[in-house]
Amino acid sequence: QKEVEQNSGPLSVPEGAIASLNCTYSDRGSQSFFWYRQYSGKSPELIMFIYSNGDKEDGRFTAQLNKASQYVSLLIRDSQPSDSATYLCAVNVIKTSYDKVIFGPGTSLSVIP
Amino acid sequence: NAGVTQTPKFQVLKTGQSMTLQCAQDMNHNSMYWYRQDPGMGLRLIYYSASEGTTDKGEVPNGYNVSRLNKREFSLRLESAAPSQTSVYFCASSASSRGQGENGYTFGSGTRLTVV
Repeated sequence: QKEVEQNSGPLSVPEGAIASLNCTYSDRGSQSFFWYRQYSGKSPELIMFIYSNGDKEDGRFTAQLNKASQYVSLLIRDSQPSDSATYLCAVNVIKTSYDKVIFGPGTSLSVIP
Repeated sequence: NAGVTQTPKFQVLKTGQSMTLQCAQDMNHNSMYWYRQDPGMGLRLIYYSASEGTTDKGEVPNGYNVSRLNKREFSLRLESAAPSQTSVYFCASSASSRGQGENGYTFGSGTRLTVV
């Protein structure tokens, strides 16, 4: 089992719809979770950080965390063509002296006008 | 603000050649990282530096060396390039000395390396 798994997609949604991106992880020592957005040919940029169970909202983005089930999701409301990108899930696992960060392979999202 | 600056942006090497990828950050961050990104594999950590003067191996260090020249600069060297090292390389930095921290990474724009 891979440490961080995501559906590779592509996930296609119509403009204005809700896009739902999912991520599962295997290490129960994982403490904090990140979503990065990466446009084609560009570098990743952080869009969400979450560490507590439940929901965290930032504008049109909502991150949902369920540590018992070991999944974290990202919802994008009112999807726009500019949201078309690859979304990377990253998981922090706290070690003795340093945190280990594991990235998932990413989910490609396409928002159709 | 420049953030994280990587050079070069593109490079083609022949098998066996060597090269150094340069990275500099102007955010006074403690930690710096080198990742490679391959299709379907996600980002994989090559080396990291938690603070000036320290470096440690990541997930895929073989064939690479690094130097944390000062707090701003962290270079990655390929001593004898192989086709398996064809990839996109990203430098990143974070304020935390423990790792990513709640502010995550700031990434450079990447280097597309092809080894033929």
